[in-house]
Amino acid sequence: GESVGLHLPTLSVQEGDNSIINCAYSNSASDYFIWYKQESGKGPQFIIDIRSNMDKRQGQRVTVLLNKTVKHLSLQIAATQPGDSAVYFCAEKWTSGTYKYIFGTGTRLKVLA
Amino acid sequence: DAMVIQNPRYQVTQFGKPVTLSCSQTLNHNVMYWYQQKSSQAPKLLFHYYDKDFNNEADTPDNFQSRRPNTSFCFLDIRSPGLGDAAMYLCATGSRVDTQYFGPGTRLTVL
Repeated sequence: GESVGLHLPTLSVQEGDNSIINCAYSNSASDYFIWYKQESGKGPQFIIDIRSNMDKRQGQRVTVLLNKTVKHLSLQIAATQPGDSAVYFCAEKWTSGTYKYIFGTGTRLKVLA
Repeated sequence: DAMVIQNPRYQVTQFGKPVTLSCSQTLNHNVMYWYQQKSSQAPKLLFHYYDKDFNNEADTPDNFQSRRPNTSFCFLDIRSPGLGDAAMYLCATGSRVDTQYFGPGTRLTVL
């Protein structure tokens, strides 16, 4: 459903460690998912996407996992760097054949030096 | 290269004074979106265009209107801004075969 809430959950990780950011999506019919990174004062930046016919997709230092059984999406960032500090949102394409995206609540990632 | 461009980046308006935000794209995408984002919240979809077909979200206030004169440009009109309309306004584009890309946003302040 729609994202609500005024307080973003925060994940703090040590520089060099791996980060895992989770997202629960709402519509079992959603067929396309995107992870965005948003830095303060900027628009969301595309990181990686995955279609519902896949379980896993890898990019440069990032991996997205999709578990359709429990409607769960995760973003793994390897060797987290200070530049990874941002808010991360998942977005689901609402239903097949439409162009509407619904965003998850978001997670703030803080990288500790 | 800029793909989704929003102007202005910062906009200050007075309570009740109409304001227009603009968005342009170089991607030739047939879908354009307007989102409202408040502090520490996810972007909230206001409406989107598929070509010239306008799709309004059920909970978008009538105070918000949009125009899309051609493929490249889309405008957000706020007819009578209230203090609660202060937010970041994000434009995005997409298509059937491509993902959704965002512009840098316009920060709206209402005095």
